[in-house]
Amino acid sequence: AQSVTQLDSQVPVFEEAPVELRCNYSSSVSVYLFWYVQYPNQGLQLLLKYLSGSTLVKGINGFEAEFNKSQTSFHLRKPSVHISDTAEYFCAVTNYGGSQGNLIFGKGTKLSVKP
Amino acid sequence: EPEVTQTPSHQVTQMGQEVILRCVPISNHLYFYWYRQILGQKVEFLVSFYNNEISEKSEIFDDQFSVERPDGSNFTLKIRSTKLEDSAMYFCASRQGVPGTDTQYFGPGTRLTVL
Repeated sequence: AQSVTQLDSQVPVFEEAPVELRCNYSSSVSVYLFWYVQYPNQGLQLLLKYLSGSTLVKGINGFEAEFNKSQTSFHLRKPSVHISDTAEYFCAVTNYGGSQGNLIFGKGTKLSVKP
Repeated sequence: EPEVTQTPSHQVTQMGQEVILRCVPISNHLYFYWYRQILGQKVEFLVSFYNNEISEKSEIFDDQFSVERPDGSNFTLKIRSTKLEDSAMYFCASRQGVPGTDTQYFGPGTRLTVL
């Protein structure tokens, strides 16, 4: 079975500061990893994904994440955050090879950017 | 850009009543999903649907739940006799169907409130 752990439920940060949102996963098979963002009262929007290839993936809004197989991590980073980045961020994992691709989500991290 | 749509955005119902949540997936997608998010909790997989049948379902998806693709565009989730604990945001998602290379796109969600 797969699982996702997001260690930080809330991350407050000042505008223009760097941020890292942590995600660790467990799986006995190869996985595909995703970060989704949920703005208040909205649905889930894909930020970025890792399927294969380069372990550093870049997404929308200046976010990037690095897949680290040995540490089973997929942390999300942004070098300088804006007020508009205030949202909840979800890490998710799936194994398309063995299933129809249902996503397993972490509990989410609420990023709060203060001026 | 094509998007997944869901109606209604908010549904209020009495306990024991039946509800149908509607989704229009992206037109050339082949895999469809329902997820739910209870307030303050993580997003949970309910069911996946492919080739006009359920391909996977979680333990949450009991006999009170059913899904249907009544025509070429709609994908519905029915809850036969709603319970208080069914109150949640329900998300529909779809993906094109090329395993390992594509992404699940989420709708904006339907907030279900059971009184």
